Amino acid sequence: SAVISQKPSRDICQRGTSLTIQCQVDSQVTMMFWYRQQPGQSLTLIATANQGSEATYESGFVIDKFPISRPNLTFSTLTVSNMSPEDSSIYLCSVAGSVHEQYFGPGTRLTVT
Amino acid sequence: GENVGLHLPTLSVQEGDNSIINCAYSNSASDYFIWYKQESGKGPQFIIDIRSNMDKRQGQRVTVLLNKTVKHLSLQIAATQPGDSAVYFCAENGSSNTGKLIFGQGTTLQVKP
Repeated sequence: SAVISQKPSRDICQRGTSLTIQCQVDSQVTMMFWYRQQPGQSLTLIATANQGSEATYESGFVIDKFPISRPNLTFSTLTVSNMSPEDSSIYLCSVAGSVHEQYFGPGTRLTVT
Repeated sequence: GENVGLHLPTLSVQEGDNSIINCAYSNSASDYFIWYKQESGKGPQFIIDIRSNMDKRQGQRVTVLLNKTVKHLSLQIAATQPGDSAVYFCAENGSSNTGKLIFGQGTTLQVKP
């Protein structure tokens, strides 16, 4: 399994601002994903971060709100733009070891005031 | 739409007893299922997986059962320990082969000493 780190681990932000979350993997991986986990709830896939191309977003998530970068096979960023209190969540990146096996980072706990 | 859900939001068991966590899924095209454990403040941790061509798979103290007839998945934990206290999620790959996972709502397992 891969070792995945995220920065920051947590943050408190004011509404209207943006936060960029970084995800670093200790090995090259083809597939990376970003999930949101709202308080007390399950994980919802935001997008698939594709290396060298635009991210693929799930229904209900748009690039203007959650721009994603994937400059290489070990790194990705997710930006939460123009934040509101409803964006308060845990944001998790994951990598796929194979088509199905996924391993998760520790998450970034975001609170928007 | 696709839905993976859990029957019970919270399960409380005595230390040493066996635990059974259930999950219902709705996409009969799913061919891969995973159980994750999420401890407080951490990302989900892979526990065990099973493919649709199997009905049982055993790991260390854990067993996953798959009943495709009724679209039901269960995780059995033998001799439950305090360290097993966490939220458990089932996930399925849905009808895609893109690595995306669909998560159930989660069951909180509380182990009483």
